[in-house]
Amino acid sequence: GAVVSQHPSWVICKSGTSVKIECRSLDFQATTMFWYRQFPKQSLMLMATSNEGSKATYEQGVEKDKFLINHASLTLSTLTVTSAHPEDSSFYICSAPGQGSMNTEAFFGQGTRLTVV
Amino acid sequence: GNSVTQMEGPVTLSEEAFLTINCTYTATGYPSLFWYVQYPGEGLQLLLKATKADDKGSNKGFEATYRKETTSFHLEKGSVQVSDSAVYFCALKGLTGGGNKLTFGTGTQLKVEL
Repeated sequence: GAVVSQHPSWVICKSGTSVKIECRSLDFQATTMFWYRQFPKQSLMLMATSNEGSKATYEQGVEKDKFLINHASLTLSTLTVTSAHPEDSSFYICSAPGQGSMNTEAFFGQGTRLTVV
Repeated sequence: GNSVTQMEGPVTLSEEAFLTINCTYTATGYPSLFWYVQYPGEGLQLLLKATKADDKGSNKGFEATYRKETTSFHLEKGSVQVSDSAVYFCALKGLTGGGNKLTFGTGTQLKVEL
C-alpha cells in the first residue's frame, strides 16, 4: 500500500526557535497533503491543507505566519513551526489522500512529537 | 457540517472479552466511514472502512457495519487481545464540501489486560 513518511519522529527545541517537519509520499504522488495537530487525549484537529504549486489553505483559527507550509513537489510537504513556544508542544501528523482505486483512503505519516522547552 | 461522535474512554477489558465502541455520525448524503487505530507513539493506521450503506468493513477480527438508518458505524471484536490496546478513531469523509478531508471523532482509548 501507499506509504507516507514523516520526519523527525520527535524533536525538542528551545522556545523562540523554528522547527521544520517533513512529510513525504514514498511511492505515489500527492498533490494534496493534510496537516493535523493532536493534543493529549484528544482527536486530530485539521490545521491546513497543503497544495502542490499553490498556497496552503488554513483552517479557521490557525495562524498562517506561525505554521508555514510549503508543498515543494508532488512528494514533499513541510510544516515549519516558527518562533516556537511551549504551547506549540503537540503531536503533529500529516496525511495524503489515496489515488485511483485507493481514493477513499488517507495515508498517515508516523507523526512528530514536538516539545518546546 | 459533518461530525462524528464516539463513546468516551478509556475502555478497559480483560483479554478475550467482547468489544464494542460506538460511533454515530452526521453528514450530508452518503459519506465513507472509517475506523483508524493509533498505537502508542505512532501515527494513524486504517483499520477498516465502508463506503456505502449496509457494507461491513472487517480486518484483524474487527468489524463495523455502515448503518444508514441509525447513522452508526460501531466497532466490534469478539475476543480482544492485549496487543489491541490502542486509541481507536471513527472518521468520515463526505462527498460534498469536504473534498478529501476526514472528520474524526474524539478517539476511544482501549486498554486490554491479562
